[in-house]
Amino acid sequence: GQNIDQPTEMTATEGAIVQINCTYQTSGFNGLFWYQQHAGEAPTFLSYNVLDGLEEKGRFSSFLSRSKGYSYLLLKELQMKDSASYLCAVRDSNYQLIWGAGTKLIIKP
Amino acid sequence: ETGVTQTPRHLVMGMTNKKSLKCEQHLGHNAMYWYKQSAKKPLELMFVYNFKEQTENNSVPSRFSPECPNSSHLFLHLHTLQPEDSALYLCASSPEIGTGSDEQYFGPGTRLTVT
Repeated sequence: GQNIDQPTEMTATEGAIVQINCTYQTSGFNGLFWYQQHAGEAPTFLSYNVLDGLEEKGRFSSFLSRSKGYSYLLLKELQMKDSASYLCAVRDSNYQLIWGAGTKLIIKP
Repeated sequence: ETGVTQTPRHLVMGMTNKKSLKCEQHLGHNAMYWYKQSAKKPLELMFVYNFKEQTENNSVPSRFSPECPNSSHLFLHLHTLQPEDSALYLCASSPEIGTGSDEQYFGPGTRLTVT
């Protein structure tokens, strides 16, 4: 079967750094996505990795290791507005997204 | 209007009602999707359309019926629903399946409650 695992909830302090991990087992691989979803709102696209390595975009970075079936999202200089759920999704051999259940990130002052 | 819009934003319906959810995208995309989002569960892909042709139907009960009259509009027709169908229904669009990153853009969703 296909499976995406990520922690259910994480807590971090404003101004700090947090790493959200995602491991996957899917039928084929055509890229990995991270989305942010604030409570009561639509998911919004954060990053896309298809090759191994680190992609940096401002305060957010995403890393991929295809051989390990592993990715992480790194958030630096945390702000209160970063409190949200972070969704990991893998595009499989049929080009459909398989989603994780999301990690709820709580930022404390 | 910009992005992906969905109406209504909230819907309460009885199990014998018939209603429809509407999605419209103003991004010039060619692929559109319906997802179901239940609390603490992964997004469940329901239907996929690429260039108005349905490409996926992930074992969705027949009480859900999609319609895609053109690349900009997507409907989800609902009838004889069950209480367990209560969830957030999200519509998304993307440029074209199988090309580049093809990231999906989501609408705000319709919060459906079945009584």
